[in-house]
Amino acid sequence: AQTVTQSQPEMSVQEAETVTLSCTYDTSENNYYLFWYKQPPSRQMILVIRQEAYKQQNATENRFSVNFQKAAKSFSLKISDSQLGDTAMYFCAFMKPNNNDMRFGAGTRLTVKP
Amino acid sequence: KAGVTQTPRYLIKTRGQQVTLSCSPISGHRSVSWYQQTPGQGLQFLFEYFSETQRNKGNFPGRFSGRQFSNSRSEMNVSTLELGDSALYLCASRPPRDPAVPTSGPQETQYFGPGTRLLVL
Repeated sequence: AQTVTQSQPEMSVQEAETVTLSCTYDTSENNYYLFWYKQPPSRQMILVIRQEAYKQQNATENRFSVNFQKAAKSFSLKISDSQLGDTAMYFCAFMKPNNNDMRFGAGTRLTVKP
Repeated sequence: KAGVTQTPRYLIKTRGQQVTLSCSPISGHRSVSWYQQTPGQGLQFLFEYFSETQRNKGNFPGRFSGRQFSNSRSEMNVSTLELGDSALYLCASRPPRDPAVPTSGPQETQYFGPGTRLLVL
């Protein structure tokens, strides 16, 4: 079974600084997808970034980037130039192809301080 | 395009009652999945529907059921409600697959609705 672990329940960062959220996962699959979702107080789950396991290049989306280490089964999220609007719960998620059973980590609550 | 919509947004029920939640996917999306989010168990997959058929099911009791209509709208039903069913229920839809591309990141991405918060008293 696939499991996703986020070892940091809570983190905080000063506005404009950089923060890295950690995620590890366990799977015997070779092809899969990894995601970071953000859930602000409104509770809407918003896609932040996606990584295909078959791609060696780390995904980036504006201020968000990942460090994907397939052998180590690690998938961290780096947020640069943190903004107050980045305050939210961040969930790391794993999914096999053609299977909507997405496995989530427990989440990291990120607070961006002014 | 409008996002995934869920109704109602909030619901209060009592133990033993049943409840039906509705989800309308993004236009053109035919796959709809449901998740339960609780403080204790986190986010857990309930089931997935595609073309009016349940394709995948999580580890939940039979009191949890769902269906999908020809317009891809989906409903989930919980019968004989228990206190532990209090949760945020999230619906997600996924883009259609391109037969020329067996699998790709955009096709495998799920987009979530705002959720329905259910409180069972």
